Amino acid sequence: SQTIHQWPATLVQPVGSPLSLECTVEGTSNPNLYWYRQAAGRGLQLLFYSVGIGQISSEVPQNLSASRPQDRQFILSSKKLLLSDSGFYLCAWGGGTGELFFGEGSRLTVL
Amino acid sequence: DAKTTQPNSMESNEEEPVHLPCNHSTISGTDYIHWYRQLPSQGPEYVIHGLTSNVNNRMASLAIAEDRKSSTLILHRATLRDAAVYYCMGGNTPLVFGKGTRLSVIA
Repeated sequence: SQTIHQWPATLVQPVGSPLSLECTVEGTSNPNLYWYRQAAGRGLQLLFYSVGIGQISSEVPQNLSASRPQDRQFILSSKKLLLSDSGFYLCAWGGGTGELFFGEGSRLTVL
Repeated sequence: DAKTTQPNSMESNEEEPVHLPCNHSTISGTDYIHWYRQLPSQGPEYVIHGLTSNVNNRMASLAIAEDRKSSTLILHRATLRDAAVYYCMGGNTPLVFGKGTRLSVIA
């Protein structure tokens, strides 16, 4: 069966520090991969999605970037965090008919 | 993706059926209708999806209007664990989430 893992689960970072969130999927090949963010009390915002290695689509101009160095690995990064980057970050992979399966989430607090 | 409209919140009594509506009047003919729900402090969870015909699974039923401009998610017997934000989306990947409907279940 397919599983998705993301880490770290929780992190507190100072403004201006770098960020790296990692997501891996097991049990499937060539999945569509997604990064969403949910600010406190807000809805989910699609940040990036990828249909293959090295293929990244950015939905919103951000202080963030994404990379897909391997088929089942998706990384969200920032060189310098802003206060507004705080939120709940969710990685997801897509099934064949458009279903999305989400990871456990990474809660980021920027101070 | 189709623009969707859902009520901000709904309330239900435990063990009663719940009908969560969604309008998606701009949906195209090839767009699926997706429903997800999100429990507090968790990622969204897939509930059900369909194209034209009504769909049933172990979690819920999806009733799709004949003109496909609206749909209803049906929880047959609400439990306290069903309290969540329910998102309706019309479209294909990547899915864009709206604000959803916050369902409260009263014991």
